[in-house]
Amino acid sequence: EVQLVESGGGLVKPGGSLRLSCVGSGFTFNNAWMTWVRQPLGRGLEWVGRIKDKTDGGTTEYGAPVRGRFTISRDDSKNTVYLQMHSLRPEDTAVYYCHAEPRSWGQGTLVTVSS
Amino acid sequence: DIVMTQSPDSLAVFLGERATINCESSHSLFYSSNNKNYLAWYQKKSGQPPKLLIYWASAREPGVPERFSGSGSGTNFTLTISSLQAEDVAVYYCHQYYSTLRTFGQGTKVEI
Repeated sequence: EVQLVESGGGLVKPGGSLRLSCVGSGFTFNNAWMTWVRQPLGRGLEWVGRIKDKTDGGTTEYGAPVRGRFTISRDDSKNTVYLQMHSLRPEDTAVYYCHAEPRSWGQGTLVTVSS
Repeated sequence: DIVMTQSPDSLAVFLGERATINCESSHSLFYSSNNKNYLAWYQKKSGQPPKLLIYWASAREPGVPERFSGSGSGTNFTLTISSLQAEDVAVYYCHQYYSTLRTFGQGTKVEI
């Protein structure tokens, strides 16, 4: 059974940083393109970014709202993908989901940016 | 970025009746090299992660009830729930994976 488990969410002040982790199991993690998607409370799904597998270059892409502030990385030895978030803003407050395209999702972790 | 626009934003349907959700993309999602449309539909219920319903615009995910169907090509797509059940109350999102920069529609809330 495929499982994705996020961790690292919490309360952070505007301008602060936070790192989310997502551990995958039940599939060949090092072959997977791993994605982060977020959902602000009461709003729709927003694609945050993605990291390709090493065979495809391990490159990253980011949505415009987070480009330059967020960084996705992976450690295939730990079956883990990371989302490093800097210069956080109140509008980054959301549930953040780890996603292995197209069908596997974690349960999400809440990030709250507030003073 | 490819912009995905869904209509309507919300709809109320009687139990057993048909629900139709439209999705328009700002760029064609059709790849002629493999004859596929890079469009998926997800169902999102409160407190749960999204659930894949349809991929390649019309391929139903295993385990998804047959009342869910997807159609369309190029820039215009439709999700149809042929006979709405109580458990179908949710928000539905179209999602393009044609571009390396993926995007979602804004969502359509389906109510009884």
